[in-house]
Formats: sequence, C-alpha cells, structure tokens
Amino acid sequence: DAKTTQPNSMESNEEEPVHLPCNHSTISGTDYIHWYRQLPSQGPEYVIHGLTSNVNNRMASLAIAEDRKSSTLILHRATLRDAAVYYCILRDLTNAGKSTFGDGTTLTVKP
Amino acid sequence: KAGVTQTPRYLIKTRGQQVTLSCSPISGHRSVSWYQQTPGQGLQFLFEYFSETQRNKGNFPGRFSGRQFSNSRSEMNVSTLELGDSALYLCASSWGDRGLNTIYFGEGSWLTVV
Repeated sequence: DAKTTQPNSMESNEEEPVHLPCNHSTISGTDYIHWYRQLPSQGPEYVIHGLTSNVNNRMASLAIAEDRKSSTLILHRATLRDAAVYYCILRDLTNAGKSTFGDGTTLTVKP
Repeated sequence: KAGVTQTPRYLIKTRGQQVTLSCSPISGHRSVSWYQQTPGQGLQFLFEYFSETQRNKGNFPGRFSGRQFSNSRSEMNVSTLELGDSALYLCASSWGDRGLNTIYFGEGSWLTVV
C-alpha cells in the first residue's frame, strides 16, 4: 500500500493561513488524495480530496504537485476550531476499502 | 440525513470476555470499514465490508471479526479480550468503495478491558 508522510506537529496563529504538507512518493496513478481531520474525542471528518488538479471547498484548498508525489492542505484563515489532527490518506480508485492512515499532523492554533 | 451511528459508545469488559460493537451506516451507503485507534498505534485499519462481503482485512489476529448485514449495518466482534484491546473503535461508511468516495466516521465506541 502506498504510504504518506506528514510532519508530527505544526503551529499557526489564529486568522493566518496554514499549509499542511504531505508526501506520498509511492502514489499510483489511480490513488485519490484525501484529507481528514480529527477533533478531540471525535471520529475523523472529511476535509477535501483530489486526484490531479487543485481543489477548493468551503473548508480548505488542496494543492497537488504536478508529479503527484506531494500535496498541501491549505487552511486560508485558521481558527481555534481548526486545532485537530490532520490525516492525509490515499484511496485507490478501484479498491478504496483499505485506507491506511498515518500518524497525521497535530495542528495547534494560537490565539 | 443521519450520520454514522455506533453503539455502545462506552463499555468496560473483563479480560477473556468477548464484545460486539454495532455500526449503522449513513442511509444508502454500502461500504463499511472499521478502525482501531490507540494512543500508541494511531488509526489502524481492521476490515472493510461492501455489500455483505469482506473485501479488505488489516493485520489483526483472528479474534477480531466482523460482518455486514443486508441492510448494510455492520457488527464487529472481539473474542477473548486482552488488555491491549482497550481502544476507540471507529466505524466509517461510504456510498461506494471507490477512491473518489468520501468516508464518513462515527463517533466511535470506547472499549476498556480490565
């Protein structure tokens, strides 16, 4: 299974942009890049996903490198509620059932 | 639209006992997967069911089993509980089993083995 690598932790100031990186150098052509986040005492929640092109939604933006070996989740204006563990995972186009979560990045937002 | 529902939310069991956890996926979702989360090991994939068939299985001993019913509801069972089985067990559902399908997690079942 293709694996992802993320920094253990990152800090941000409130209302500033946050760029969370993820490396997936062994990504295959059929892997979708998904981001989820987990708030304390909750199950993970979906943030965004993409295949090749950059993606935007109301929560965040996803920037995917041209070679797809890395991606960056962008939170445009971090709030205290964005403090969570962020997971970058790969889900295969035809058999996405076995999604491997790494350790994720713990984001701390300072007021 | 109701989210993924897991029951029970909290339970305490004794070593050697067995436990059954239940998951009701979002209506219309056919794929259900289970994860174990512990502080030391993070989120570990247990197994995934799609249309009542187990399609993927993680690296867990045979004491961990599961099944999916025709209405997509799923149960997982852990027999002969060990102290190390204490964890948050998360269920996730998805409309399909394709990479573009989003997975939605429940709030989890907290299992403590004493």
